[in-house]
Amino acid sequence: IAGITQAPTSQILAAGRRMTLRCTQDMRHNAMYWYRQDLGLGLRLIHYSNTAGTTGKGEVPDGYSVSRANTDDFPLTLASAVPSQTSVYFCASSDGHRSTDTQYFGPGTRLTVL
Amino acid sequence: GQNIDQPTEMTATEGAIVQINCTYQTSGFNGLFWYQQHAGEAPTFLSYNVLDGLEEKGRFSSFLSRSKGYSYLLLKELQMKDSASYLCAVTDSNYQLIWGAGTKLIIKP
Repeated sequence: IAGITQAPTSQILAAGRRMTLRCTQDMRHNAMYWYRQDLGLGLRLIHYSNTAGTTGKGEVPDGYSVSRANTDDFPLTLASAVPSQTSVYFCASSDGHRSTDTQYFGPGTRLTVL
Repeated sequence: GQNIDQPTEMTATEGAIVQINCTYQTSGFNGLFWYQQHAGEAPTFLSYNVLDGLEEKGRFSSFLSRSKGYSYLLLKELQMKDSASYLCAVTDSNYQLIWGAGTKLIIKP
């Protein structure tokens, strides 16, 4: 059972380049999320999707876009990377988006933008 | 604004008990989660509280007081593997999780 996989594990990227972080889950969860985690700050929600075909903006969506073409995949794209996007990115999923639904996290992608 | 406060770092001794506090001010409340995160790894679910009181799960217990906007995570019989960060998160009125910055727990032999 894989759960949630993310790729790449880590990446060093030149500023201005386009980058897509991949996330795939095999739990048939309806809801998926993208967070960034920075030292001294809590996890911050970038974008979310409550079900396939729908997406929504989180707390820090600027500079990022997502798509949810099917249940399993939820890629995050940085159209033109900037150094402030250096962070660890976590993808998560939950069965639904009710208050009781536990979120399960992927292993993360460590991104450095130079 | 929405705010969740936790101590940045705590130190405890192997075999002892430690209590990690979390206070919150959010727009609405629909539940509180505790997650554990080892260095370089993903957060993993520990507990969920939506009603006042204590929830016990093995060596870990979590307490909630909604009127005080307060929760704590109690870890008993500490083991070296409990060295990790502990994240408090609250589900707000929009059913989005608001996360604290986490408490780094250091266990000493």
